[in-house]
Amino acid sequence: EPEVTQTPSHQVTQMGQEVILRCVPISNHLYFYWYRQILGQKVEFLVSFYNNEISEKSEIFDDQFSVERPDGSNFTLKIRSTKLEDSAMYFCASSDRTGGRYEQYFGPGTRLTVT
Amino acid sequence: GQNIDQPTEMTATEGAIVQINCTYQTSGFNGLFWYQQHAGEAPTFLSYNVLDGLEEKGRFSSFLSRSKGYSYLLLKELQMKDSASYLCALRGDSWGKLQFGAGTQVVVTP
Repeated sequence: EPEVTQTPSHQVTQMGQEVILRCVPISNHLYFYWYRQILGQKVEFLVSFYNNEISEKSEIFDDQFSVERPDGSNFTLKIRSTKLEDSAMYFCASSDRTGGRYEQYFGPGTRLTVT
Repeated sequence: GQNIDQPTEMTATEGAIVQINCTYQTSGFNGLFWYQQHAGEAPTFLSYNVLDGLEEKGRFSSFLSRSKGYSYLLLKELQMKDSASYLCALRGDSWGKLQFGAGTQVVVTP
């Protein structure tokens, strides 16, 4: 069964460093998302992406964040200058139009630890 | 904006039935989703309701009443592996973001 994949599974970085989290969505999906989940808290929406542009972003997704689809398969989230409060699990998700349901399928996540 | 409420924790015995309620307030509605999340793992899709009524899928069923802003997830014949957090999530427009509730931790005991 097709699935969303993410690399790395765990990233440790120092405050102020740049990180790039990578995702390979399900191959025929057209809609892509990033969410994050701080330990013990709820899953929070960051950004949605369609047709090579951002469709919607949350208040969390400030100028330090950017997304890119550099080729036909990868979807990346970049944090330019990490802060301690960016430590969280970051989930990529993708969906298609099947039945108008747009069910979102999540990748396994990247645990980002900022020290 | 949106507001989603679900109980923090529920405990049930193996083989029993558990019903997890979710109430919400929202200005736009285009679907309610239930996801299962085991500790340290990604949410996995369980069910989707956009019209009022019951959707059944094996041991899991989900119900929606849009007028009441209410949904529930019913888990039957509980198994130990069902111990997990169950997330209620709202979608406001046709394909966009999901707004998640805080999740209900279900503990299945022998």
